[in-house]
Amino acid sequence: EIVMTQSPATLSVSPGERATLSCRASQSIRSHLAWYQQKPGQAPRLLIYGASTRVTGIPARFSGSGSGTDFTLTVSSLQSEDFAVYYCQQYHNRPTFGQGTKVQI
Amino acid sequence: QVQLVESGGGVVQPGRSLRLSCAASGFTFSSYAMHWVRQAPGKGLEWVAIISFDESAKYYADSVKGRFVISRDNSKNTVTLQMNSLTTDDTAMYFCARDGEHPLPHYYFDSWGQGTLVTVSS
Repeated sequence: EIVMTQSPATLSVSPGERATLSCRASQSIRSHLAWYQQKPGQAPRLLIYGASTRVTGIPARFSGSGSGTDFTLTVSSLQSEDFAVYYCQQYHNRPTFGQGTKVQI
Repeated sequence: QVQLVESGGGVVQPGRSLRLSCAASGFTFSSYAMHWVRQAPGKGLEWVAIISFDESAKYYADSVKGRFVISRDNSKNTVTLQMNSLTTDDTAMYFCARDGEHPLPHYYFDSWGQGTLVTVSS
């Protein structure tokens, strides 16, 4: 099983600031990585797949980068609606998720 | 627009069974693999099972293999998860999710239902 490790567990950011979330895989997953956003009481929402391809309708302030084992999700200027938990997920093998990063004010 | 609506959750005793359903609409259901993903209360996400677009392939997480069975009915646009021999570790919100590519699955999830809660408790 490929283990996904996200850091930090919690990120405290002010609106308008940049947020950088990290995700590391226990072995190379090439670019087979997705990022999801989940708000309380809601289902996850796909933001990014293929490590860097933004889903249609996702604001351009969200960007993904990385390949191999190290990946980053960047939110360039946090809006109030962006405060949520973010999960990375690999799909190189049987899918596994990171434990999540909570982005809070 | 894509809509996935789960049903069938509830409270069940350990060792008993439960059947979850997911009704799909807004897309060509028969062209997509479908998944179940679960989330224990206050915890992260865990992939549970996949069924291919034509039901020819089914795969399960090790944690549910031999106890859960995924199936689909392309004439009714539904996917089901039969859960047997339930344990307290199966307590979770269960989400139905569509695979992000078609017809061959890529194992990421581009559309999700709102989930149905399963509580296993005596």
